[in-house]
Amino acid sequence: QQPVQSPQAVILREGEDAVINCSSSKALYSVHWYRQKHGEAPVFLMILLKGGEQKGHEKISASFNEKKQQSSLYLTASQLSYSGTYFCGTVTMEYGNKLVFGAGTILRVKS
Amino acid sequence: DGGITQSPKYLFRKEGQNVTLSCEQNLNHDAMYWYRQDPGQGLRLIYYSQIVNDFQKGDIAEGYSVSREKKESFPLTVTSAQKNPTAFYLCASSISFGARGYTFGSGTRLTVV
Repeated sequence: QQPVQSPQAVILREGEDAVINCSSSKALYSVHWYRQKHGEAPVFLMILLKGGEQKGHEKISASFNEKKQQSSLYLTASQLSYSGTYFCGTVTMEYGNKLVFGAGTILRVKS
Repeated sequence: DGGITQSPKYLFRKEGQNVTLSCEQNLNHDAMYWYRQDPGQGLRLIYYSQIVNDFQKGDIAEGYSVSREKKESFPLTVTSAQKNPTAFYLCASSISFGARGYTFGSGTRLTVV
């Protein structure tokens, strides 16, 4: 089951904040977050394991709400380099530990 | 530097032909994966391999085949049975299957002409 990401797209000005959400209909074992720039490979940002923890570095962080089967990615004080498509990927025990990706959220940061 | 190398970057295929996409990694990762990316659909799993000489079908395996004879290599063959092969193909690897982050190659864009 593909996780649902929202919003589908967001446009920001430099310095503004954004939140990208990822929801699953299945109990989650872990959530991955990746960023992909046009025509390039997705780049791993972070992984969150069940337990409701929040991880991150610098101005990009994420939370994992196991009970709600949701994860959110927080981008604060956005920079031009943050532009790209953000994918969440979910691992569920019901799906045999395979990583299933959401459809992606397009983020564009303008100067 | 360690990483994943996919080749070629662009590939054109005539209808009815089989083509093989190369994927090589020097990360010493056990698990390798092939994903297909179409606009607006995210990444869909074609095949995956948890260890050498073993592989399993993903969600959209029909019309594709793989082999895993060496730890470093996981080639994908797109056969003539694949009805709509035009897409961006991404190979990935992880240190082990499941919970660890994936490293992706730069992809192969396949176009059927």
